[in-house]
Amino acid sequence: QKEVEQNSGPLSVPEGAIASLNCTYSDRGSQSFFWYRQYSGKSPELIMFIYSNGDKEDGRFTAQLNKASQYVSLLIRDSQPSDSATYLCALEPQAGTALIFGKGTTLSVSS
Amino acid sequence: GAVVSQHPSWVICKSGTSVKIECRSLDFQATTMFWYRQFPKQSLMLMATSNEGSKATYEQGVEKDKFLINHASLTLSTLTVTSAHPEDSSFYICSARAGRTYEQYFGPGTRLTVT
Repeated sequence: QKEVEQNSGPLSVPEGAIASLNCTYSDRGSQSFFWYRQYSGKSPELIMFIYSNGDKEDGRFTAQLNKASQYVSLLIRDSQPSDSATYLCALEPQAGTALIFGKGTTLSVSS
Repeated sequence: GAVVSQHPSWVICKSGTSVKIECRSLDFQATTMFWYRQFPKQSLMLMATSNEGSKATYEQGVEKDKFLINHASLTLSTLTVTSAHPEDSSFYICSARAGRTYEQYFGPGTRLTVT
């Protein structure tokens, strides 16, 4: 059973702070990892994906992957109230297959 | 970017009736479409994988005779919930992939309420 684990939160940070979201997974063979943001009542939207060990930066977002530790994280710098949402970690067990999602971490950014 | 639409965006139906949900890729050909279901405060759970021109592959525990999936063209997949019951009330989301690329493009979802 391939599993993706996330702390459900809520994670509360003040505006301008760094929010750190974490995810662990059980399938050591998984190659690609994704972070999605989901607002209440809406469909997930892709923030970024990562498939190599290390860091990947895109604007205020940085994804970090450590395959040896089976750990992937998302850092959000200069958090804004509009970043308040549920963040879903997902992995792709094999290329072309469906994604497996974690339960998500709820982030609340206070102004 | 690639756009996936779903119709309807929300639907209310009576118990025992059937509901059809459409998922369309608007500007690309989707060789594979996925159907997910999301209950309140839960994550997305994969229901089935649909490849154009072939039968859908259902996940364990998903009744294929209840959730009929048709992927008749490279831009359209449909999910029909037959004999719907209140426990089928959920948020149904499709996603589409153009070949073996990294990204799945998600539709906006369909909120189904069965009374």
